[in-house]
Amino acid sequence: GIQVEQSPPDLILQEGANSTLRCNFSDSVNNLQWFHQNPWGQLINLFYIPSGTKQNGRLSATTVATERYSLLYISSSQTTDSGVYFCAVNTGNQFYFGTGTSLTVIP
Amino acid sequence: ETGVTQSPTHLIKTRGQQVTLRCSSQSGHNTVSWYQQALGQGPQFIFQYYREEENGRGNFPPRFSGLQFPNYSSELNVNALELDDSALYLCASSLSAGAHTQYFGPGTRLTVL
Repeated sequence: GIQVEQSPPDLILQEGANSTLRCNFSDSVNNLQWFHQNPWGQLINLFYIPSGTKQNGRLSATTVATERYSLLYISSSQTTDSGVYFCAVNTGNQFYFGTGTSLTVIP
Repeated sequence: ETGVTQSPTHLIKTRGQQVTLRCSSQSGHNTVSWYQQALGQGPQFIFQYYREEENGRGNFPPRFSGLQFPNYSSELNVNALELDDSALYLCASSLSAGAHTQYFGPGTRLTVL
């Protein structure tokens, strides 16, 4: 199956700092989503972004499908941004999640 | 528009037992996918149901089975529970199969003793 790798695995930021999370995937995909998993396990949909760039407030994402990677940008981080960020890809009827980036924002 | 709901929230079973987990899809969605998330790992795809038919399956043994009902709600059944089945089970619904946004429920945390 397709390999989905995320980096960095762990990230600690001071409140107000910016960060970039990366997702690499090993094959062509139909769909790519970014999620934030809160401490209670709920996966919150951030972006559906198989290609191109999208922005939503302090968050933005870019997927370069031809080069098989996606980036999630978090600007002016807040403590509520803490949690694990996952990218997930879809190839046909199979879905694959990355290993996640655990983000801790300290005040 | 109602979101994805799952029941129960928590469940404790013993090895060898059987369990059924339930998921109600978001209004207007006809596709449900199930995932297993072990502690510290990313979710692993179990299978997807589209219009009451299985429409893709991950690398899970046959003792993991499912159903989707005419109202597009879904069940995940696991027979002969093993200790390694302890995990967070997540379901996600989408507008249709294929390239569509998935919306996740809050999950069911299963502990097998």
